[in-house]
Amino acid sequence: DAMVIQNPRYQVTQFGKPVTLSCSQTLNHNVMYWYQQKSSQAPKLLFHYYDKDFNNEADTPDNFQSRRPNTSFCFLDIRSPGLGDAAMYLCATSSSPGWKGGQPQHFGDGTRLSIL
Amino acid sequence: GIQVEQSPPDLILQEGANSTLRCNFSDSVNNLQWFHQNPWGQLINLFYIPSGTKQNGRLSATTVATERYSLLYISSSQTTDSGVYFCAASSNTGFQKLVFGTGTRLLVSP
Repeated sequence: DAMVIQNPRYQVTQFGKPVTLSCSQTLNHNVMYWYQQKSSQAPKLLFHYYDKDFNNEADTPDNFQSRRPNTSFCFLDIRSPGLGDAAMYLCATSSSPGWKGGQPQHFGDGTRLSIL
Repeated sequence: GIQVEQSPPDLILQEGANSTLRCNFSDSVNNLQWFHQNPWGQLINLFYIPSGTKQNGRLSATTVATERYSLLYISSSQTTDSGVYFCAASSNTGFQKLVFGTGTRLLVSP
């Protein structure tokens, strides 16, 4: 089945130690998104890639970066994680909006990041 | 940007009961999705429904785009329906960025 896969499911890192989360997709969608969801809150968009074009949300901290080496893979890099970055990180994909308007987003199972 | 509000914030049901969850949004939408987040954190897509009505088993959803609201109906609730239900929408203006509501936390007791 076509899907969005996130690895690892759980990630533990130390305060200040860089960490990378990965997302892959077999849907061949050209848009990929990263969301952050803190405990008891709704998911919040960090940034998205439209093909190779990177689009950062205005309030995403500089500590968060992303790479998309090809259509299938996208990475979330946290350069110096702080305790406040402990959260669930969700990757999603969609096809580009066509003349019909929006397209549904398909989510992975998420990576739960803990900071020691 | 678009505002998305959900009600009620919390809901407790006895197994077998029916319920209606509401989502109000502040702008014309080109995407509206309902999700169920289970206790393990997985976000399960229930419906993609920017307008109209859809049904999937015990669940159904209706979006009245002209009046800017959507409803999610759960019939004959089961304990496995427990979790948080999110509505998310993206505005017709600008790129399709989903904005999530604050969710409805549902607890179904046996």
